[in-house]
Amino acid sequence: DADVTQTPRNRITKTGKRIMLECSQTKGHDRMYWYRQDPGLGLRLIYYSFDVKDINKGEISDGYSVSRQAQAKFSLSLESAIPNQTALYFCATSDRGKVSTDTQYFGPGTRLTVL
Amino acid sequence: DAKTTQPTSMDCAEGRAANLPCNHSTISGNEYVYWYRQIHSQGPQYIIHGLKNNETNEMASLIITEDRKSSTLILPHATLRDTAVYYCIVRAFTNTGNQFYFGTGTSLTVIP
Repeated sequence: DADVTQTPRNRITKTGKRIMLECSQTKGHDRMYWYRQDPGLGLRLIYYSFDVKDINKGEISDGYSVSRQAQAKFSLSLESAIPNQTALYFCATSDRGKVSTDTQYFGPGTRLTVL
Repeated sequence: DAKTTQPTSMDCAEGRAANLPCNHSTISGNEYVYWYRQIHSQGPQYIIHGLKNNETNEMASLIITEDRKSSTLILPHATLRDTAVYYCIVRAFTNTGNQFYFGTGTSLTVIP
């Protein structure tokens, strides 16, 4: 979905380096999420944020941190990257105003390789 | 959120209807059925969702059984671009947590 962008799209880094992945959205949604996907597996939630001052841990938050700089921006950081963090990372957004549902819209993904 | 069971893979001839089943026998009354698809490592794409009535949009139809224990996603005229992994997800909307639990889905191959 072009309304949700992620940068960089691909990144190769070394063990121990700090990495930041960025997500921006123009959908005007309140809620933002970070997921990771490993080969042959489904997506797993890392962190999510319901508004600028709200940060919540997901299923696999260890080794990651996030920052919600503005409604439209949600960054994921790996403070000291390790090889098993090699994965495809997706950002998603959803609209709090849709009280009957919570459809999430995903960005194109960032492929991260930690050597 | 309720667990779902989907076939690992399916084939469909181009131009024919693709019917993707999903079992969710432990679904609760307030849980919706969602379908997403993922085309070759791209971001998952929302297709459709429903609670208990059948739903149709420009992409697909969703048929939910009367007891809500299973559902079928129908792509009426499959094209090669519909080749993807399709995820069936059941979840309730809450204000405390909204993770979508993506399993391994069904890998649909549309054959020319």
